[in-house]
This record gives sequence, structure tokens and C-alpha cells, in this order.
Amino acid sequence: GAGVSQSPRYKVAKRGQDVALRCDPISGHVSLFWYQQALGQGPEFLTYFQNEAQLDKSGLPSDRFFAERPEGSVSTLKIQRTQQEDSAVYLCASSFRDLGGYTFGSGTRLTVV
Amino acid sequence: KQEVTQIPAALSVPEGENLVLNCSFTDSAIYNLQWFRQDPGKGLTSLLLIQSSQREQTSGRLNASLDKSSGRSTLYIAASQPGDSATYLCAVTDYGQNFVFGPGTRLSVLP
Repeated sequence: GAGVSQSPRYKVAKRGQDVALRCDPISGHVSLFWYQQALGQGPEFLTYFQNEAQLDKSGLPSDRFFAERPEGSVSTLKIQRTQQEDSAVYLCASSFRDLGGYTFGSGTRLTVV
Repeated sequence: KQEVTQIPAALSVPEGENLVLNCSFTDSAIYNLQWFRQDPGKGLTSLLLIQSSQREQTSGRLNASLDKSSGRSTLYIAASQPGDSATYLCAVTDYGQNFVFGPGTRLSVLP
């Protein structure tokens, strides 16, 4: 596709529910990042993939957060047993190569009620 | 741990004014610095990318400078327009790949 596509755009989850957020990077992009952006804040790093390998997951806030990219293209960020503090915009970014120019998706806004 | 701050947090100016947004970072060992624009409900759009060996980059009415040794960058916007209204984010990249973002400056340009 022409850009990074994220779905759904909006998700309302009841506390305790599991959610899955999808990122379709630009075709052929090797690097993929997930970021979490709380209201009024800058994005914060969650995790990084190079192809299918998850090279850095140091930003994942708890073991309720899990990300995968099994075939080196589409990535899914899963949050188990959601809590109110998980409410944020989740951004995905991809790049053709390491340290290159990144393209960001429009994000998924998650609201936990 | 790298920390990025931005001043001011919010700025409101009349159309036509020139303005400067400031970004500071604590660790000068960066690979590059990037300025982004974020519109409400949208993702981030890259405006300017400055490699650590560079001092500035220009694109149209935008000019970004980098002083790596002092841990500072500025984004200069000339002849501001209402369409420039958005949140401007500064981010640094270290050799570990990921961006560290500042909290952003919310800019309103009044017609």
C-alpha cells in the first residue's frame, strides 16, 4: 500500500477485555516500531522488529503486552486484560532499512472503560 | 536514559509571524534528530531530518538547526499560516534505532 495502515482506527474495550491492534507496513519495509502515545504526551517506544525478529521489547509496559510479526510484514500488538491506564493512541511506523526515514500510521485510539 | 524536552508547550501567534520552537535532549550521542508534525487524530508527518554530522536542514518555510554538543535543536517557521496549526514533535534517534520523542509544542496560528 501507499502508506502504513493501522486497524481499527478506534477501539473501545471494557476493562479486562483482550484487544488486538493491527499494523500493515509499507510493502518491503524491514523495520517496524510500535509506540504508545498518551493524551498530551509524545509517543513512547514499545517494541521494534527487523523483519520477523523482535529485536527490542524493552518498552512494553507489562507482560500483558505482546507483539508479533510472524512473516515479517503485518504486525499485531495484543493487550491482555486491558486496564484504564492502557488508554492511549498506539502508533506503528515502518522503514525500508535501519535508521532510515520512517513512515507512521494514523494510529489506533484505544479507550478502556 | 535519553530525555527530550520541548519549549514552549503551547504557542499562539497571528498569521504571518515568524516563530521558533525549541527542543533539548540530555544525551548528545545521537544518530539523528527529526521534527514531526501531528494533526489531531492523525499520525506523524516527518518534516525535517538532521543527521548528527549536520548543522541544519531546510524545507520551504521550515528551517531546523542542530547543536549536538549543547543538546539543542530549533525549528524555525517563517511567515506562519493557519494551516501550520498542529503539534510539533522533536525526536532523537540513538544507535539503538528507536525514537525518543519530546512532549510536543501545540501551535495555533490565528487568521
